[in-house]
Amino acid sequence: DTGVSQDPRHKITKRGQNVTFRCDPISEHNRLYWYRQTLGQGPEFLTYFQNEAQLEKSRLLSDRFSAERPKGSFSTLEIQRTEQGDSAMYLCASSFGGIDTEAFFGQGTRLTVV
Amino acid sequence: QQQVKQSPQSLIVQKGGISIINCAYENTAFDYFPWYQQFPGKGPALLIAIRPDVSEKKEGRFTISFNKSAKQFSLHIMDSQPGDSATYFCAASNFATSGTYKYIFGTGTRLKVLA
Repeated sequence: DTGVSQDPRHKITKRGQNVTFRCDPISEHNRLYWYRQTLGQGPEFLTYFQNEAQLEKSRLLSDRFSAERPKGSFSTLEIQRTEQGDSAMYLCASSFGGIDTEAFFGQGTRLTVV
Repeated sequence: QQQVKQSPQSLIVQKGGISIINCAYENTAFDYFPWYQQFPGKGPALLIAIRPDVSEKKEGRFTISFNKSAKQFSLHIMDSQPGDSATYFCAASNFATSGTYKYIFGTGTRLKVLA
């Protein structure tokens, strides 16, 4: 499978715990994006990387959230001290740089905070 | 100004009918307008996209109509099939300015095509 891969697909955690999600983009894509999608809503942009550099972060990304892309390949999104409001689908997407290139989404990680 | 407003929220169409979903935006800097299809439990998948230098783009049964002056664009699904039943999202980005596909998504339209 050469698409965007996310792991785990589902995560249930207790409030206050830390969680980490992984995204493996399409191998030759230099841009990687994280989005959050709550039930019945469209995805909301969280952050994006060009290679290993994190170039933009949304105001939605509170201090409890941190994302990395250490070698410009896979990326991790960590949420510390989870809250019930963090329950959502976390989507990763990747693309080439350059115009007329498509952003491909992974299947997402569904987080439930209980 | 960053919002993309999408309507209707839900849509029921008979098999073989035309499904029409509309979106409106405010930010004139937006220069790329994709439509994504999402099935339950799956990530969004690109259907078709348009840039503001054209008024219409057709790919198979899917057509985007774009009205730059009205700041509106719409998705038309011709000969709708039960397999088209999914949630559809419009989106917009200002690639020329930001150099990235940081999308602003609409709130989605849940389409159901009756057999």
